[in-house]
Amino acid sequence: NAGVTQTPKFRVLKTGQSMTLLCAQDMNHEYMYWYRQDPGMGLRLIHYSVGEGTTAKGEVPDGYNVSRLKKQNFLLGLESAAPSQTSVYFCASSYGQAQNIQYFGAGTRLSVL
Amino acid sequence: TQLLEQSPQFLSIQEGENLTVYCNSSSVFSSLQWYRQEPGEGPVLLVTVVTGGEVKKLKRLTFQFGDARKDSSLHITAAQPGDTGLYLCAGERVRGYQKVTFGTGTKLQVIP
Repeated sequence: NAGVTQTPKFRVLKTGQSMTLLCAQDMNHEYMYWYRQDPGMGLRLIHYSVGEGTTAKGEVPDGYNVSRLKKQNFLLGLESAAPSQTSVYFCASSYGQAQNIQYFGAGTRLSVL
Repeated sequence: TQLLEQSPQFLSIQEGENLTVYCNSSSVFSSLQWYRQEPGEGPVLLVTVVTGGEVKKLKRLTFQFGDARKDSSLHITAAQPGDTGLYLCAGERVRGYQKVTFGTGTKLQVIP
């Protein structure tokens, strides 16, 4: 069972470059999320989606864009990367029921030089 | 603003010792979850507590939700090296709102 798959696993960018992180889930989940994880700050929500074709801002959305064209995929874009976006990015998905159990991918480690 | 503060931030103990991790907030949560994250992996759900005062046990791990639903604790008895990891609490403010707020995390190292 694949669950939630993130690509790529690692990436190094130069300041100003752009890139897209892909998240794919095979559990038919309605809800999908993008988080960033920084030391001592836990996980912070960037953007989320409550269904195909919908997106919403989370706690730290600036500098990121997302798209959910297909139910199983959730893309996170960085249009002009900045060193402050160096982080580990996690995608998660859930059924959308009460108590919201989230299933996470293995993460993408991004460094912006 | 971090709604959920965890303490301690780091903990290094010997195998066989007991420990408690705390998750505190000034806000009320409809439910609270505990996740464990191992290096290079995403968090994995351990337990969800819903009712104020609720206690759940998972083998050597005991989870408690505060009576006022503002805080929670995780107690590990006779810690094992396999318990090593980052422990994260996560609270759902409004039931069914489908967003949770994660705590700051507690990094646990159990030395054999």
